[in-house]
Amino acid sequence: ELKVEQNPLFLSMQEGKNYTIYCNYSTTSDRLYWYRQDPGKSLESLFVLLSNGAVKQEGRLMASLDTKARLSTLHITAAVHDLSATYFCAVDFYGGATNKLIFGTGTLLAVQP
Amino acid sequence: GAVVSQHPSWVICKSGTSVKIECRSLDFQATTMFWYRQFPKQSLMLMATSNEGSKATYEQGVEKDKFLINHASLTLSTLTVTSAHPEDSSFYICSASSTSGNPYEQYFGPGTRLTVT
Repeated sequence: ELKVEQNPLFLSMQEGKNYTIYCNYSTTSDRLYWYRQDPGKSLESLFVLLSNGAVKQEGRLMASLDTKARLSTLHITAAVHDLSATYFCAVDFYGGATNKLIFGTGTLLAVQP
Repeated sequence: GAVVSQHPSWVICKSGTSVKIECRSLDFQATTMFWYRQFPKQSLMLMATSNEGSKATYEQGVEKDKFLINHASLTLSTLTVTSAHPEDSSFYICSASSTSGNPYEQYFGPGTRLTVT
């Protein structure tokens, strides 16, 4: 069974601190995506990682992909309150007829002042 | 670019009635459209994948006779929830992948919140 697990599920952190969210998946894939979801809203695309060793950074967020370890990380640097949201990773999986995304469990991030 | 819209953004219907949700790609042609369901505080679960002019492919456990998907054009897909019941209340999100650009990237609509009373 294809599984995409995120760790931690809930993260409360103080402003200015650093932390990493982990995304482990159980099948071979070279493509992984990170999304942000605010309460009551749909998904906002953050990063598209298309190969082993890919690293992308945007502001205080940096994502990386290790396809051999089947692991992606989302690193938060000097967190600010505006980063509070739920973060999802999603693995691109070829299901036999078409590619589809399998989403991780999600990480609820709460940044405290 | 790559904007996907959904209509309606929210809908309330009575148990036993049917409701249709539209998903449109506004500025690109969508090879494939996807329908997801998200219950409160949970992740997104893929319901079905549809290609223009073809029958949708449903994920295991999704009732194809209850969730009717039509992908009539390269810019429009519809999801009809038939004989809706309170347990169908959820946040329904569609996405689309483009015929150009990264074929593996999906662009997400704003979602439709369905409440069945």
